[in-house]
Amino acid sequence: EADIYQTPRYLVIGTGKKITLECSQTMGHDKMYWYQQDPGMELHLIHYSYGVNSTEKGDLSSESTVSRIRTEHFPLTLESARPSHTSQYLCASIPTGQLNTEAFFGQGTRLTVV
Amino acid sequence: AQSVTQLDSQVPVFEEAPVELRCNYSSSVSVYLFWYVQYPNQGLQLLLKYLSGSTLVESINGFEAEFNKSQTSFHLRKPSVHISDTAEYFCAVSVPRDSNYQLIWGAGTKLIIKP
Repeated sequence: EADIYQTPRYLVIGTGKKITLECSQTMGHDKMYWYQQDPGMELHLIHYSYGVNSTEKGDLSSESTVSRIRTEHFPLTLESARPSHTSQYLCASIPTGQLNTEAFFGQGTRLTVV
Repeated sequence: AQSVTQLDSQVPVFEEAPVELRCNYSSSVSVYLFWYVQYPNQGLQLLLKYLSGSTLVESINGFEAEFNKSQTSFHLRKPSVHISDTAEYFCAVSVPRDSNYQLIWGAGTKLIIKP
């Protein structure tokens, strides 16, 4: 069983609020990812990190920001939430080493902005 | 550009019947291939993967997938499904990017088991 945790699991919040979605892994993985998942759509990569102090934007434009101050922690922040941000957010990590590309996922945060 | 196509958004099948979930990919380079499963209200879990060697790979719960390079496919099959297989299944390919590998995802196929 993978040791990657996301909190909260569910969040309903008003428009304009600042929120941080937490993601932590205890496996020492260098690579971490945030995906946005909407029904019937492929997972869209919004941010990734290959290590401490390394963050990059993914293929899907997002108003969120991320930080990677510690290997195990990769939080995602929305400064001002909007209804268009309503979605499921999945965090994942991948072990170091190019051939071992299995991704481990957290259980997700379902965000609803009202 | 690389892409993954899962041809069916939903596949309804009776319990104990066989099932095939289709996945095709496009890539000009060698790839690694994966199937992930997402049970209701859960994150994704790896079901099986093809990295190299035998083109037929199996999971511990009876699923198998065959890598077909000429058809650029990696279809998932199970000879007899159970109600517990109800989930969404995602096909993914891992392609080189920025001296690392990046996962490209299909849109998922919901497997609906009818009693």
